[in-house]
Amino acid sequence: NAGVTQTPKFRVLKTGQSMTLLCAQDMNHEYMYWYRQDPGMGLRLIHYSVGEGTTAKGEVPDGYNVSRLKKQNFLLGLESAAPSQTSVYFCASRSGQGYGYTFGSGTRLTVV
Amino acid sequence: GQNIDQPTEMTATEGAIVQINCTYQTSGFNGLFWYQQHAGEAPTFLSYNVLDGLEEKGRFSSFLSRSKGYSYLLLKELQMKDSASYLCAVFPSFSSGSARQLTFGSGTQLTVLP
Repeated sequence: NAGVTQTPKFRVLKTGQSMTLLCAQDMNHEYMYWYRQDPGMGLRLIHYSVGEGTTAKGEVPDGYNVSRLKKQNFLLGLESAAPSQTSVYFCASRSGQGYGYTFGSGTRLTVV
Repeated sequence: GQNIDQPTEMTATEGAIVQINCTYQTSGFNGLFWYQQHAGEAPTFLSYNVLDGLEEKGRFSSFLSRSKGYSYLLLKELQMKDSASYLCAVFPSFSSGSARQLTFGSGTQLTVLP
């Protein structure tokens, strides 16, 4: 019963480094989302995907890129990390038939 | 656009009742979620309201008034483990686009005191 799996769980980057966060779901969900959460704030949408091969920008997309080459995977890339990208990143997926979201356990990223 | 407001912090005593309010202004509304989030963890689902009225689920109840753009989460018989952040989130209608991405409030940090 894996659900949504995010890797890595923790990461420390230096300013200017790049990295990719992986989100994998085994529920055959069409929709996938990347959110970030900063202290004392709710989740804000970075990018989302409505199906394999499609991506779209959310509320706070700057500095991030995404890809969904396979239906089960949604990758979030940071091309040149900045301290402002220090945050907790949550991935979520949803079936096209329902409203229920399944969240991953999060990736805590620190950029120094 | 969407605007969702909820109080930043609330404090209550173990065994008491607490009501967490959420007001929203949005175009294309389908329903409203409540999530519980403990520190360092992912949000976990509590309730989803589509119709007006109160839905009860054990110690937790959630209310929605679509005409007023208002919801509340009611927690009864508070326990220490209920100390967490409570997030309300708007689920848009299909007319807003097929992605129907959730928009979250900033969360209400509830502290339960012994």
